[in-house]
Amino acid sequence: DGGITQSPKYLFRKEGQNVTLSCEQNLNHDAMYWYRQDPGQGLRLIYYSQIVNDFQKGDIAEGYSVSREKKESFPLTVTSAQKNPTAFYLCASSIRTYSYEQYFGPGTRLTVT
Amino acid sequence: KNEVEQSPQNLTAQEGEFITINCSYSVGISALHWLQQHPGGGIVSLFMLSSGKKKHGRLIATINIQEKHSSLHITASHPRDSAVYICAVDRDDKIIFGKGTRLHILP
Repeated sequence: DGGITQSPKYLFRKEGQNVTLSCEQNLNHDAMYWYRQDPGQGLRLIYYSQIVNDFQKGDIAEGYSVSREKKESFPLTVTSAQKNPTAFYLCASSIRTYSYEQYFGPGTRLTVT
Repeated sequence: KNEVEQSPQNLTAQEGEFITINCSYSVGISALHWLQQHPGGGIVSLFMLSSGKKKHGRLIATINIQEKHSSLHITASHPRDSAVYICAVDRDDKIIFGKGTRLHILP
């Protein structure tokens, strides 16, 4: 079964700790994305990657970091510099960027206290 | 003003009703997406269109490029259609998302 997996589904961390969210896809897609969703707001782009070893900042990249060492994997690290890290995080992928259908993972709900 | 506006924000209807969700955008786009987000949070892509109309089962999506407007219709609505429906547009090298329409179908 092809798809995108994110783990864990729920994540709890203490303030000041870095945390890494996992995203894996077996769709052979070149492009991968990380979005953040807050109540009452549309999805906002954190980072995206068009190809292995390349990634670009999105609209709200501050306090986050990513890597793209393998085509299948695009982990997101939420650092202690992120002021309001509690949110729902969604990973997505598409064949390529620009006007291609995006496939979404199930999401990770991060709570930082 | 948001670049992508959806209406209504919330919609409750009886099973079997014809549902229309609207999306207006203020920028030039290359494509428009309709997405469905279920209560668990996962998102499924329903349609991607750049002109005309697309149909899949009981779902129909239309777009009018001149008027910068798209509609998502659901015929013979069912409680399992209850979800948040999100409109998103491709502009240059990014996707801009609307805030979503929360649909609740009563049995």
